[in-house]
Amino acid sequence: AQSVTQPDIHITVSEGASLELRCNYSYGATPYLFWYVQSPGQGLQLLLKYFSGDTLVQGIKGFEAEFKRSQSSFNLRKPSVHWSDAAEYFCAVLTGTASKLTFGTGTRLQVTL
Amino acid sequence: ETGVTQSPTHLIKTRGQQVTLRCSSQSGHNTVSWYQQALGQGPQFIFQYYREEENGRGNFPPRFSGLQFPNYSSELNVNALELDDSALYLCASSLLQGSEAFFGQGTRLTVV
Repeated sequence: AQSVTQPDIHITVSEGASLELRCNYSYGATPYLFWYVQSPGQGLQLLLKYFSGDTLVQGIKGFEAEFKRSQSSFNLRKPSVHWSDAAEYFCAVLTGTASKLTFGTGTRLQVTL
Repeated sequence: ETGVTQSPTHLIKTRGQQVTLRCSSQSGHNTVSWYQQALGQGPQFIFQYYREEENGRGNFPPRFSGLQFPNYSSELNVNALELDDSALYLCASSLLQGSEAFFGQGTRLTVV
């Protein structure tokens, strides 16, 4: 069965520092992968997606992610974090004919000034 | 272009009651999915509707049911509410099956 693992429950970085959030997936076919961000009590906003092609994808707010098939990973990166990036980040894989999104448990990002 | 809107934003119900949550999909989107997000967890897929038909269901009991209307808006109905049904319920719409999903702000349901 498909699954998504986000090993880091909580990460704290200083403003201006670089960021990498880890995501590993398990899915038998070619994965469609997503990163979403969620502010407290809010819905999910799509940061970026990977369907095919270039394995380094660019998203909104200066985020990027790299798909590595050999490692079953889709890590999210940002060169310089801003205080407004503090939120919960979810990695997800799209599976099945019902286009079901399977999410990881999320990583809470805290940014210190 | 309007985004995905959900109503109500917050709701408090008593155990055993029934609840209906509503979702208006993004303009032109014919596929609507519902997710349940318990506190501190990632969203869990409940079911999806495509052109008014249920098109896939997650591991949720039959007391979770839904509808999609000709204008592609959707309802989620939950009967015989249990305390564990307390969660944020998210609706997502997409233009095509297999394409990116756009989420609403969610409905926070509290069962007491």
